Amino acid sequence: AQSVTQPDIHITVSEGASLELRCNYSYGATPYLFWYVQSPGQGLQLLLKYFSGDTLVQGIKGFEAEFKRSQSSFNLRKPSVHWSDAAEYFCAVFTGNQFYFGTGTSLTVIP
Amino acid sequence: KAGVTQTPRYLIKTRGQQVTLSCSPISGHRSVSWYQQTPGQGLQFLFEYFSETQRNKGNFPGRFSGRQFSNSRSEMNVSTLELGDSALYLCASSQTGAYNQPQHFGDGTRLSIL
Repeated sequence: AQSVTQPDIHITVSEGASLELRCNYSYGATPYLFWYVQSPGQGLQLLLKYFSGDTLVQGIKGFEAEFKRSQSSFNLRKPSVHWSDAAEYFCAVFTGNQFYFGTGTSLTVIP
Repeated sequence: KAGVTQTPRYLIKTRGQQVTLSCSPISGHRSVSWYQQTPGQGLQFLFEYFSETQRNKGNFPGRFSGRQFSNSRSEMNVSTLELGDSALYLCASSQTGAYNQPQHFGDGTRLSIL
């Protein structure tokens, strides 16, 4: 069965520190992979997506993610976190007929 | 360009009632997808409509249904409401498909079942 796992429910980082949010997926074929961000009381915004090609994907707001087939992972990174990055982050996989989302990682940024 | 508009923003219903939620996509977008978000189950895909036809469907019971009109606006209907249907319902639109173009999400309709 298809699934997406985000092992970290909540992460706290200091402003200016680097960030890595983990995502593992379970899917037999090559997946379409996404990272979304959700601010309180709002819908989701697409940060980046991977379909094929270069395994390092650049997104908006300075985020990037690396697809590692051998590890079934698609971790999200940012070299220097800003206070405005505090939000909920969701990893998702599209299998050809529907989306599966991880349970999300809540990011707190401390000054 | 106006974003995805969902109405109403908040809704309170009682068990056994039915409810209809509305979603107006970005102009020119023909694909509309619906999602349910709850603290316990997280984000779950309900269905996708494209050109008035349901193209993809998640694992929800038949009480959850939808439709899309010729102007791409979409409605989602939930019949015989249960307490577990309390959730944030999100709608997203894209030009031609849920995966190969960015989805743009609305702010959602928060449904509370008493």
